[in-house]
Amino acid sequence: SQQGEEDPQALSIQEGENATMNCSYKTSINNLQWYRQNSGRGLVHLILIRSNEREKHSGRLRVTLDTSKKSSSLLITASRAADTASYFCATDAGNSGGSNYKLTFGKGTLLTVNP
Amino acid sequence: NAGVMQNPRHLVRRRGQEARLRCSPMKGHSHVYWYRQLPEEGLKFMVYLQKENIIDESGMPKERFSAEFPKEGPSILRIQQVVRGDSAAYFCASSPRTAPLSYEQYFGPGTRLTVT
Repeated sequence: SQQGEEDPQALSIQEGENATMNCSYKTSINNLQWYRQNSGRGLVHLILIRSNEREKHSGRLRVTLDTSKKSSSLLITASRAADTASYFCATDAGNSGGSNYKLTFGKGTLLTVNP
Repeated sequence: NAGVMQNPRHLVRRRGQEARLRCSPMKGHSHVYWYRQLPEEGLKFMVYLQKENIIDESGMPKERFSAEFPKEGPSILRIQQVVRGDSAAYFCASSPRTAPLSYEQYFGPGTRLTVT
């Protein structure tokens, strides 16, 4: 599997519910970022978590990082219809000799929030 | 403070024509990255440029594709003799001079290239 794979591929919930998306990666990283992409639009940066951090909050977003399991999760609380979008995690190559600027994206999780 | 700007937003080219995609980074950003997104795929890194320098073009096809970031003006991604497989969304991102590594990349709205 490729670096930065999101799970599930698609998620459909009702407004007000929480949405959890997961991301797994293979090599060591310096940081992991989450982005949102509305249909046919560009990417919006949501949050960056560094490899020495375990949890980070931003508004209704909560990101966790478990470097021992090489995984991250994005939790959106009290979801809204406007949260409907694709969500991507992106990793850099970290200290494995790779290039830190080279972000590797997964295929994303398509979140649908039904009103 | 304007974000990353890309133009055109949509571009239609016939097979064999040339496509030129432009990217103006955020003000104060001197690092530019190009990514390609095929339908229902994640973004794939193509090239990383600083002013007048190509730093890493390892993700760019060896033939027909080229990129530049001149001292003045936007960064250009050029695709010669386009083929149907080049149809994709091309995104540009930029990051600030003082923090080029392991930091947030700010993305433009993308250029959607359709080759007919």
